Amino acid sequence: GENVEQHPSTLSVQEGDSAVIKCTYSDSASNYFPWYKQELGKGPQLIIDIRSNVGEKKDQRIAVTLNKTAKHFSLHITETQPEDSAVYFCAASITSGTYKYIFGTGTRLKVLA
Amino acid sequence: ETGVTQSPTHLIKTRGQQVTLRCSSQSGHNTVSWYQQALGQGPQFIFQYYREEENGRGNFPPRFSGLQFPNYSSELNVNALELDDSALYLCASSRPGQAGNEQFFGPGTRLTVL
Repeated sequence: GENVEQHPSTLSVQEGDSAVIKCTYSDSASNYFPWYKQELGKGPQLIIDIRSNVGEKKDQRIAVTLNKTAKHFSLHITETQPEDSAVYFCAASITSGTYKYIFGTGTRLKVLA
Repeated sequence: ETGVTQSPTHLIKTRGQQVTLRCSSQSGHNTVSWYQQALGQGPQFIFQYYREEENGRGNFPPRFSGLQFPNYSSELNVNALELDDSALYLCASSRPGQAGNEQFFGPGTRLTVL
């Protein structure tokens, strides 16, 4: 069935270093890939997304890359700051029919000051 | 903030009881999706409502049901609560076809079943 694998489950980096989180999806029909940041006690917040007709997208310190052939997509955070500490989720979706998201299992990012 | 609100914030029920959770979607959004997020896990899709009709359902039993109202707000109802239903319940609103497929999540309702 539909599945999204996410790695690593936890990630600790020093402030100022880069962090990379990787996801793999199973449904080749997936064409929309959002990334969410979830802080303690809050709902997921959309931070960046990418569509299947694009290979890379960047927004300030955050970038996402997509390899459709390998069914991989990754989140890159540069110059990490303590406020980047949170749980990050990737998701895959098909933009037709039921617009449901299949989420990964999450990555707990800790940025050490 | 996303403009999506949920109530109540927290809820404690006992096994076998019924619960209703509520969600108000972002202005202009006609689609509401519900997700269950167990502790330490990613959200799992329960179902979606589009223009007051169910538009897809995940792998959840029929005791999970929902409604969407003409103002696009929505309810999630769970009957015969089980211990495993303890989770954070999230709703997300969207407007498919406009600005892509972005879903905007509310803060969630934390349900504890004892």
